Amino acid sequence: NAGVTQTPKFQVLKTGQSMTLQCAQDMNHNSMYWYRQDPGMGLRLIYYSASEGTTDKGEVPNGYNVSRLNKREFSLRLESAAPSQTSVYFCASSKEGYDIRYNEQFFGPGTRLTVL
Amino acid sequence: AQKVTQAQTEISVVEKEDVTLDCVYETRDTTYYLFWYKQPPSGELVFLIRRNSFDEQNEISGRYSWNFQKSTSSFNFTITASQVVDSAVYFCALSTQAGGTSYGKLTFGQGTILTVHP
Repeated sequence: NAGVTQTPKFQVLKTGQSMTLQCAQDMNHNSMYWYRQDPGMGLRLIYYSASEGTTDKGEVPNGYNVSRLNKREFSLRLESAAPSQTSVYFCASSKEGYDIRYNEQFFGPGTRLTVL
Repeated sequence: AQKVTQAQTEISVVEKEDVTLDCVYETRDTTYYLFWYKQPPSGELVFLIRRNSFDEQNEISGRYSWNFQKSTSSFNFTITASQVVDSAVYFCALSTQAGGTSYGKLTFGQGTILTVHP
């Protein structure tokens, strides 16, 4: 039982390049989330998927797109990377996002992204 | 809107000292959950505790204890007899049962960097 896995762990991009961050969970959770962590700002929600087939914007969605490929996988895409997107990206999942009794979130190890 | 404030940006203590990390939250919802997460230098986020808004009982787990006070909208975290391994960034977070699309999201505080010196 690996929990939440993310690939890659580290990535360096040049401005304008694109890439996709991958996230998978093996806990049969319905809800998945993407956050970014910047110094002094805690974690901020980029996008979330309450259930398979649905995605919604979070607090800072600009410059990102997501795909809920299936129940297990939730990817985050940067179409044209910018230096402002240099950050640590965390994926998380919870059993059920609609009911906060079950929305304890489990986090992946993070992806450290640098955009030059 | 939900908000979580961790006023202490950095705390430095010497091993075996007790330390309290403050967390103040804002929400208009009557049903909500509060969380504490630990982020050690390795970078992962480790879940420590979850507390719902109807349970104001304090909780103790080993050297860790949590004090939840709805009257002051605070959910403080105390480490007793701190150890070097406690050095990490600690985040307080809030989740509410707001309607529409606001379910399940965690609102994080800015984090408190705790350094425990030997």
